[in-house]
Amino acid sequence: DGGITQSPKYLFRKEGQNVTLSCEQNLNHDAMYWYRQDPGQGLRLIYYSQIVNDFQKGDIAEGYSVSREKKESFPLTVTSAQKNPTAFYLCASSPGQSYSPLHFGNGTRLTVT
Amino acid sequence: RKEVEQDPGPFNVPEGATVAFNCTYSNSASQSFFWYRQDCRKEPKLLMSVYSSGNEDGRFTAQLNRASQYISLLIRDSKLSDSATYLCVVTSGAGSYQLTFGKGTKLSVIP
Repeated sequence: DGGITQSPKYLFRKEGQNVTLSCEQNLNHDAMYWYRQDPGQGLRLIYYSQIVNDFQKGDIAEGYSVSREKKESFPLTVTSAQKNPTAFYLCASSPGQSYSPLHFGNGTRLTVT
Repeated sequence: RKEVEQDPGPFNVPEGATVAFNCTYSNSASQSFFWYRQDCRKEPKLLMSVYSSGNEDGRFTAQLNRASQYISLLIRDSKLSDSATYLCVVTSGAGSYQLTFGKGTKLSVIP
């Protein structure tokens, strides 16, 4: 079955450590996205990539980094510079054409203490 | 005015009731509109796109009013399984990356 896989589902880290969240899709979608969701808040865009080897900052990119070396993969690194990293992280993909909706992975819940 | 605004609810309705949600958006250039459903601690899932002429999918009807800049979602004959948070999503440009999500409206359908 085609879909988007995020791993792990739950992640716990100590403050000051970098952590990488995995996102893999087999939908053959060109575009991939990372969002963050905090309780009672809407989704906020961290980074997006419309094509391999290219990505752009979203609204809240500070403290995060990404890479897009393969079409299927778009890992997100949460660095120690991110001041409030505890959140629900959602990866999504789309065909990349205008007006196409997003397909989401099942999310990674990151807790930093 | 916030870009995409929704009544946070919660809307508590009995089974079988009809419930409607509205969502207002501020960017008059917005071209595409969607309703997503998000269950507690899960990812959002596309419920339906919203077309200019309005569209229906079973018990769900979506409508767009460009003049007043709002979209609506009507759920008829509510089921317990409809309990979720409903997210309004609006594009502000030609690319899918220019999506703005509302904070969602929580619906609880009560037996």
